[in-house]
Amino acid sequence: GAGVSQTPSNKVTEKGKYVELRCDPISGHTALYWYRQSLGQGPEFLIYFQGTGAADDSGLPNDRFFAVRPEGSVSTLKIQRTERGDSAVYLCASRAPAYNSPLHFGNGTRLTVT
Amino acid sequence: AQKITQTQPGMFVQEKEAVTLDCTYDTSDQSYGLFWYKQPSSGEMIFLIYQGSYDEQNATEGRYSLNFQKARKSANLVISASQLGDSAMYFCAMREDQGAQKLVFGQGTRLTINP
Repeated sequence: GAGVSQTPSNKVTEKGKYVELRCDPISGHTALYWYRQSLGQGPEFLIYFQGTGAADDSGLPNDRFFAVRPEGSVSTLKIQRTERGDSAVYLCASRAPAYNSPLHFGNGTRLTVT
Repeated sequence: AQKITQTQPGMFVQEKEAVTLDCTYDTSDQSYGLFWYKQPSSGEMIFLIYQGSYDEQNATEGRYSLNFQKARKSANLVISASQLGDSAMYFCAMREDQGAQKLVFGQGTRLTINP
C-alpha cells in the first residue's frame, strides 16, 4: 500500500516568509508525528497527533511553529516568519494503532531558508 | 528524560563481514521499546528491528539482530554478511511506552561497506 507522503519534497523560501509543509499518513494510522532533522543529526520530535488533536506539542521550538490535522488524516506543519536556523529536513511519520507498531516515515521535506 | 547514545560516528567494514553498531540508552521507565532505523542517502527512514524491554529473547529480522543487554542498557545492532547496499546512516531510537509513544533518536552511525 501507499506509504507516508510528504509535499513538497523541497522548499526554498526567504527569511521572514511563511511556509506550509503537508503530510498524508498511511490510511488507518491514527497517530501522526512531525520530526525535524538537521544535517548530521538524528531526528528530533516536534509534535504528535492522536486523531485530530495535538496530544503532545512539547517539541515545537517556539510559537512560530504550528501544526494542524483537522480531519484526523492529512496534517500541515506551518512555520511563520521563517529564520535561517529553521533550515532542515522535516519528517512526518504515522503509526498503526497496534501496540509496538513502528513509526513509518515519509521521505521528508527539505526546507531551505535563505 | 530518555537519552540514546551512539558512540561510533562512522564505521567501515568489508563486504560479507558482520558488523556491530553500538547503542546505549538511559531511562527511568520500566517499560520501553528500542528501534533501529536505516537512512540511505536518499533520506527515507527505514524501520529495521524492534525490541521490547520485557522481551527475553533478542529480536531478529533476517540479517539483522539486536543484542539486548538490559542490565548494561545497551541495544546493539548486528548485521550479518554485510552487503554494499547496507551503506547508510543507522539510528537507534527509544520509545516511551506511555503518552505520545514518541521516539527519541541517537546521533546515528554512518556505515560504509567496502567491496
